[in-house]
Parts: sequence; C-alpha cells; structure tokens
Amino acid sequence: AQSVTQLDSHVSVSEGTPVLLRCNYSSSYSPSLFWYVQHPNKGLQLLLKYTSAATLVKGINGFEAEFKKSETSFHLTKPSAHMSDAAEYFCVVWGNAGNMLTFGGGTRLMVKP
Amino acid sequence: DAGVTQSPTHLIKTRGQQVTLRCSPKSGHDTVSWYQQALGQGPQFIFQYYEEEERQRGNFPDRFSGHQFPNYSSELNVNALLLGDSALYLCASSVFSGLRVGAFFGQGTRLTVV
Repeated sequence: AQSVTQLDSHVSVSEGTPVLLRCNYSSSYSPSLFWYVQHPNKGLQLLLKYTSAATLVKGINGFEAEFKKSETSFHLTKPSAHMSDAAEYFCVVWGNAGNMLTFGGGTRLMVKP
Repeated sequence: DAGVTQSPTHLIKTRGQQVTLRCSPKSGHDTVSWYQQALGQGPQFIFQYYEEEERQRGNFPDRFSGHQFPNYSSELNVNALLLGDSALYLCASSVFSGLRVGAFFGQGTRLTVV
C-alpha cells in the first residue's frame, strides 16, 4: 500500500519569510510525488512533480521540493512567502496502488502581513 | 484549450435522493478519475474510468457509480444520499497509465445533502 503523511496540519509564517511544508511517504514501488495547491473554493493546481529525474524539483511561483529516498520525504519549500501563497497544500503519491493518486491530509498555510 | 470542466458547481439535495455530477476531461486525455473531498480532509479516490469501463475502485459503497462516454466525458452518480455524502467532488483528467506525471483537476462540485 502507499500512503502520505503531512506532518503539520497548519503552518503560519510572516510575509517575506521562508516556507517549509513537510511530507513523508510510503510506497514499495518507485513513486512519483506531487505537490498540489488548493485556494479557497477552487480546484487543485499542480505546483510541482518528481518522476525519478532530478531529486530537486522546481515548480511554479518559486516553490521547490527535494526528494530524499533515504528519509522517504518530499518537503516543499519557498524562500520568501507572499500573501497570495495562503492556501491548502497537498502532498500526493503515485506508486504501487494501481492507477490512483493518494493524498495526504493537507497543510493549511497562513501568511501574516 | 479547455481544461477540466465540471458541472454543476454547487448542488443541494435531500437525504435519500439521487444525484448526477458531470465532468469533461482536458483535450487529449482519455481517463477520468473521481475523488471525494470532505471538509478539512484530503481527497479520497472513488473510481477511475478508461475506455468506458471502471478500471479501479476505492473504498466506496455501491451507491456510488459512474459512466464514461465515447467522448471521454464522465458522470458520477450517487444513490440514496446520506448526510455524510456532503463534500467537494473532484474530477481528475489524465492519460491512462500517465498518472506517473500527474493529473489535471476540475474546480469541483460542492454537494450539500440536507
């Protein structure tokens, strides 16, 4: 089975400070990993993806994530938070559960002015 | 190029009723997956359709059924609605066996059961 654990349900940062959203995964298959963002009353937008190429992945809006197999982690970072980054973020894995995506529980990012 | 479109955007139904939600995938995509997102939770996989057949199913009762049409669009049907079926229903569009590179999601249908 595959699973995803997002270690923080809520993260609060000040505008202009770094963002770190933590994600650990479990998959016995060589996984693909994704971060999606969901703004209030909106659908899911793909931020970035890891598909077994470079372990440091750059996405949209200045976000990046590093795949660490030894730690089974895929943490999302951004050097400087912007007010528009406030949203719900989901870490997602595709692997050995057939042709489906498995989502973490989500992390709500709050950005203070 | 239209993305993934879902209709309706919002829906209110009474317990025991039946509902049909619709999804048109992104151009070039032949696979539609449906997810249920309860308030404050991550989306849960309901089922996936490819070549007009259900290819994989998550842990949802038979009250949840679906259909895919020759043009790849899809419907999600829920019978005998329960209060617990209130959620955001998301449609994900992809190429079959292409989930390795992710999926595109629609805006969702917000279903409220009263």
